[in-house]
Amino acid sequence: DTGVSQDPRHKITKRGQNVTFRCDPISEHNRLYWYRQTLGQGPEFLTYFQNEAQLEKSRLLSDRFSAERPKGSFSTLEIQRTEQGDSAMYLCASSSARARAVNYEQYFGPGTRLTVT
Amino acid sequence: QKEVEQNSGPLSVPEGAIASLNCTYSDRGSQSFFWYRQYSGKSPELIMFIYSNGDKEDGRFTAQLNKASQYVSLLIRDSQPSDSATYLCAVEGGATNKLIFGTGTLLAVQP
Repeated sequence: DTGVSQDPRHKITKRGQNVTFRCDPISEHNRLYWYRQTLGQGPEFLTYFQNEAQLEKSRLLSDRFSAERPKGSFSTLEIQRTEQGDSAMYLCASSSARARAVNYEQYFGPGTRLTVT
Repeated sequence: QKEVEQNSGPLSVPEGAIASLNCTYSDRGSQSFFWYRQYSGKSPELIMFIYSNGDKEDGRFTAQLNKASQYVSLLIRDSQPSDSATYLCAVEGGATNKLIFGTGTLLAVQP
């Protein structure tokens, strides 16, 4: 257990429905990332938050996707009008921006597996 | 050309042998490199990170980095069946330190 939690762990939804996932990072971590992983591929970056500010979004993040981190703690990722191609594992990772650090190790949560039928 | 390339495997080694996993990357400006282990159906688990050229050892794991050749590798000594998993190479990219992953190498350790 890395200390990053995600909810729900599994979600089955019908095409066209909206879904929302939650990520709670390690408490002292101010950096939060969302990734998506499909079968046989490595995780792909979706978006990044530093505290409550969303500082980068991938072109993979279409208009149907939105992410928030309202108080700089937990984050939510919402997918509107889901499509079958959205079926994947959605992973959240957190890291800490330490003074004088040259890198920021990212620790992943257990993921939310989304199946769109 | 993919940004991070790994042989998908499977790489099969007998128990007790050394497993060697390789990764190349395209961005010469990359500074930080990570190895994650991922069991089937689970999320990636950080096992090693390396930032400087040379070797870094942690228990049975050794990460090797050669920035001139844009090459990073992971050696697993005394491989155990419990090491059987997909090993993901990741390179830090951009100002936000997001990770760029390879597709992973499936390692199978035969008892």
